[in-house]
Amino acid sequence: QVQLVESGGGVVQPGGSLRLSCAASGFTFSSYGMHWVRQAPGKGLEWVALIRHDGKNKYYADSVKGRFTISRDNSKNTLYLQMNSLRPEDTAVYYCAKGTSMVRGAMDYWGQGTLVTVSS
Amino acid sequence: DIQMTQSPSSLSASVGDRVTITCRASQTISSYLNWYQQKPGKAPELLIYAASSLQSGVPSRFSGSGSGTDFTLTISSLQREDFATYYCQQSYSTPYTFGQGTKLEIK
Repeated sequence: QVQLVESGGGVVQPGGSLRLSCAASGFTFSSYGMHWVRQAPGKGLEWVALIRHDGKNKYYADSVKGRFTISRDNSKNTLYLQMNSLRPEDTAVYYCAKGTSMVRGAMDYWGQGTLVTVSS
Repeated sequence: DIQMTQSPSSLSASVGDRVTITCRASQTISSYLNWYQQKPGKAPELLIYAASSLQSGVPSRFSGSGSGTDFTLTISSLQREDFATYYCQQSYSTPYTFGQGTKLEIK
């Protein structure tokens, strides 16, 4: 069965950096686009980034462009999100999600999320 | 960026009711509209993709319709486990954007 397990969250000071990981299993990881989506406490969902199956194309939300970098290692079945210049408004639960093959941009499996708190 | 607006923001209903949630895009998105359900403390789950296609394993009381800019999610007969927050999401163009959510509560 498909499993996505995020790790790497924690507390970081404003201006700091953090790298999130998402370990994938139960499907052919190298065949699917992968997303990061976040949810601030008590708020709605915000799409963060997408990386195509081969890692060649990456897309970002305006709010993180230039600060966050999505990447993947298909040999390790792992997705990453490098977060630099963190701001308090980046505080959220970060989910990784698998893209579905049925239509571009839909996400059919999600991890349990990892909490990032940006605070001094 | 494409803005997604859901209505209502919250809704009270009873078990057995028929419920409709609407989602409007700020520009045409063809049928690139997806619906998710999220329960407290849990990750979202895909219900409907491409406006009207039911995700595998999702009960048939859920249905979606629409194209262009106006879309609806309908639950034909509410069950207790359906009380949750629902989000629409456009996947027509990046950045992919979500609606603000509709919280469905028990009356």
